[in-house]
Amino acid sequence: DGGITQSPKYLFRKEGQNVTLSCEQNLNHDAMYWYRQDPGQGLRLIYYSQIVNDFQKGDIAEGYSVSREKKESFPLTVTSAQKNPTAFYLCASSTKQGAVEAFFGQGTRLTVV
Amino acid sequence: EDQVTQSPEALRLQEGESSSLNCSYTVSGLRGLFWYRQDPGKGPEFLFTLYSAGEEKEKERLKATLTKKESFLHITAPKPEDSATYLCAVQAGRDNDMRFGAGTRLTVKP
Repeated sequence: DGGITQSPKYLFRKEGQNVTLSCEQNLNHDAMYWYRQDPGQGLRLIYYSQIVNDFQKGDIAEGYSVSREKKESFPLTVTSAQKNPTAFYLCASSTKQGAVEAFFGQGTRLTVV
Repeated sequence: EDQVTQSPEALRLQEGESSSLNCSYTVSGLRGLFWYRQDPGKGPEFLFTLYSAGEEKEKERLKATLTKKESFLHITAPKPEDSATYLCAVQAGRDNDMRFGAGTRLTVKP
């Protein structure tokens, strides 16, 4: 079945550590996105990529980094520079052209311990 | 600055009690408005895309409508399984990214 797979589902990070969240899609979509969701707030865009080897910062990119070496994969690294990383992270993908809906993975809940 | 505002923040209904959720937006060059359903601890599930004022889409007990300033998600005779957070998002301008509202948390009591 086609879809978006995020792993792990739950992740615990010690302060000062970098962690990487995985996102893989087999929908043959060109565009991929990372969003952060906090309680009572809408989804906020961290980074997005329209094509392999290219990506743009979203509204809250500070403390995060991404790579897009393959069309299917868009990993997100939460660095130690991100001061408040505890949140629910969502990856999504869409076709590139036109105003089209994005499809989401099931999310990764990151907790700093 | 582009803004998407959803109201109410939370809505409690009795089973069978119809109501509407609102999504108002201030963007330049709307290209599409999207509705999603999100269950706790899960990723959003796509429901509808609306492109132009006057457009309507239906799916089971849900109907989405669009005007030049807002969209409504009408829910007719809701059931407890319709309980979820409903998210609205817009695409505008030249980018493909979406701007989301904070959502409406719907609870349907049996």
